[in-house]
Amino acid sequence: AQSVTQPDIHITVSEGASLELRCNYSYGATPYLFWYVQSPGQGLQLLLKYFSGDTLVQGIKGFEAEFKRSQSSFNLRKPSVHWSDAAEYFCAVGDPRGANNLFFGTGTRLTVIP
Amino acid sequence: GAGVSQSPSNKVTEKGKDVELRCDPISGHTALYWYRQSLGQGLEFLIYFQGNSAPDKSGLPSDRFSAERTGGSVSTLTIQRTQQEDSAVYLCASSGAGRQTQYFGPGTRLLVL
Repeated sequence: AQSVTQPDIHITVSEGASLELRCNYSYGATPYLFWYVQSPGQGLQLLLKYFSGDTLVQGIKGFEAEFKRSQSSFNLRKPSVHWSDAAEYFCAVGDPRGANNLFFGTGTRLTVIP
Repeated sequence: GAGVSQSPSNKVTEKGKDVELRCDPISGHTALYWYRQSLGQGLEFLIYFQGNSAPDKSGLPSDRFSAERTGGSVSTLTIQRTQQEDSAVYLCASSGAGRQTQYFGPGTRLLVL
């Protein structure tokens, strides 16, 4: 069965510091991988996605993520965090065989301090 | 272009009442999904519509929950005899044919008193 683990419930970083949010998945093959961001009171916005090819993917707002097959991971990174990045971040996996539902992690809440 | 829209934004209801939540997907998207996000939780899949195929209802938590999609576009999620544990944010998403990138609406925040 598919599962997604985001080990960090809450992370606090200083503005301008680098950021890495962890995501590990359990799946029978290489799934489609996604990162979404949710600001307070808002819906989910797609940051980036991985389907195949280059394992380092670039997204919006200066985010990137790297797919590591050997570690079943898809960690999200940003070199310099801005105060506006404070939000909840969700990793999700999907089945490449069909456009069915995504499986989401429980999210990581990011706090940015001045 | 317009994204996924949901209405109402917020809904407060009394225990035992029925509620209807509406989702307008992105024009031309053939797939539509409903998820539930309870406080402090990730997203829980509820139901999935793909074109004219029978919906995948495997995520519906009880028979009090139902959904329909009229004309392959707008969808309504109905919760009958609401319970306090139904309080959550209900999110709708849609995706186009082929790749399964899902685009989410802003959600409906349901509070059952």
